[in-house]
Amino acid sequence: GAVVSQHPSWVICKSGTSVKIECRSLDFQATTMFWYRQFPKQSLMLMATSNEGSKATYEQGVEKDKFLINHASLTLSTLTVTSAHPEDSSFYICSARDQGRGLAFYEQYFGPGTRLTVT
Amino acid sequence: GEDVEQSLFLSVREGDSSVINCTYTDSSSTYLYWYKQEPGAGLQLLTYIFSNMDMKQDQRLTVLLNKKDKHLSLRIADTQTGDSAIYFCAESIKTGANNLFFGTGTRLTVIP
Repeated sequence: GAVVSQHPSWVICKSGTSVKIECRSLDFQATTMFWYRQFPKQSLMLMATSNEGSKATYEQGVEKDKFLINHASLTLSTLTVTSAHPEDSSFYICSARDQGRGLAFYEQYFGPGTRLTVT
Repeated sequence: GEDVEQSLFLSVREGDSSVINCTYTDSSSTYLYWYKQEPGAGLQLLTYIFSNMDMKQDQRLTVLLNKKDKHLSLRIADTQTGDSAIYFCAESIKTGANNLFFGTGTRLTVIP
C-alpha cells in the first residue's frame, strides 16, 4: 500500500517550452502533496505544498508563476514548469501524505522522481 | 530555521555494521525518519521514531535518538552490497504545514 507514482520518469525539453509532471497516489487519498527538487549530490529542497482544492503554498525563493501547481483531486497533483531554462534541469520528486492515517502522523510517501533536462 | 546535518560519505565492508549519524537543531521535532535513496530513484522510508522514544529496532535496523544532544543514528547490522545508497535523515516539526526537513544525505558504500 501507499504507492505514489510520477509521470514521466524523465523528460527532455527545449528551452522556452513548458513541461508538466504528474504525481498520483495510487491506493490512498492525499489532501496534501509536496513537491521537492533535488540537485545532483544534494539534499531535497521543498518547493511547495500542494493542497487539494486550494492554492499551493510555495517556499521562499520559489517562483509560483514559473512552477505552477494544481491539485484538482485527492489522488493527483501536477507541477508545470513554464518557460523552462537549462537551470531548471533537476530531479523533481513528489510526496503525498496518507489522509487515512490522520494528521497526527506526518509520514510522507515518495514518488520515484522525474528527471528533467532542458536543452 | 531547521538545520539537519549528516556526514557525506561512509564506507564499510560487507558483513560489518554501518552507523550513520544525524544532528538536528529543532527541539520541537515530532517524528524523525530515515529514508533510503538508490541511484536515480525516489525515497524509500526505512524507519521512523517518535521523539519521545530512545530506541527502535526493526530487523537489521536500529535507530537511536538522543534528544538532549539532538542526535539521531541509524545502525545497519550485517551490511550488504544492496545497502549501498544515500541515506537521508529527516525531521517533522509541529508547524501548520507539517513539512519534512531533510539532512544532506550520507552516501553509504559497501565494499565486497
